[in-house]
Amino acid sequence: SQTIHQWPATLVQPVGSPLSLECTVEGTSNPNLYWYRQAAGRGLQLLFYSVGIGQISSEVPQNLSASRPQDRQFILSSKKLLLSDSGFYLCAWSATWGEEEKLFFGSGTQLSVL
Amino acid sequence: GQNIDQPTEMTATEGAIVQINCTYQTSGFNGLFWYQQHAGEAPTFLSYNVLDGLEEKGRFSSFLSRSKGYSYLLLKELQMKDSASYLCAVTPSFMNTGFQKLVFGTGTRLLVSP
Repeated sequence: SQTIHQWPATLVQPVGSPLSLECTVEGTSNPNLYWYRQAAGRGLQLLFYSVGIGQISSEVPQNLSASRPQDRQFILSSKKLLLSDSGFYLCAWSATWGEEEKLFFGSGTQLSVL
Repeated sequence: GQNIDQPTEMTATEGAIVQINCTYQTSGFNGLFWYQQHAGEAPTFLSYNVLDGLEEKGRFSSFLSRSKGYSYLLLKELQMKDSASYLCAVTPSFMNTGFQKLVFGTGTRLLVSP
């Protein structure tokens, strides 16, 4: 069966510090991968998505970036965090085949930028 | 633009029935999802509607009217564990690769009391 791992679960970082969140998927190949952010009182906002290795699409201009160095690995990064980057970050994957066209989410990372 | 509206919060009693409404205005439509999200956790898939009508899955049912841009999630025989946020999400365009560019509502927080 497929599983998605995301870490760390919580992170407290000072303003201006770098960020690296990692996500890996097991049990499937060539998944579509996503990074979402959920700010308090707001809906899930799609930040990045990837349909293959090295292929990254950005939905929202910001100081975050994403990379997909391997088929089942998705990384969210920042060189300098802002206060507004605080939120709940979720990695997700969907299959590129099959009839169940739904997202499977990782357990999330609660990021607090102070 | 894309817009999805849900009530912010609802309360109900254990054993009762509750209906959570969702209206959407999107540039296209290729399906509507309902997700359940407990506090601090990742969303989990509940239902998917692409055609008009009612889809029933145990205690949960979801209804869609594409002409009205309207959906609801019906929860029967409420249990305390149903206290969670319920997210409505729409896929504006068709993607035959499994890629899901979902637009999420802000979610409805449901509180079930004894």
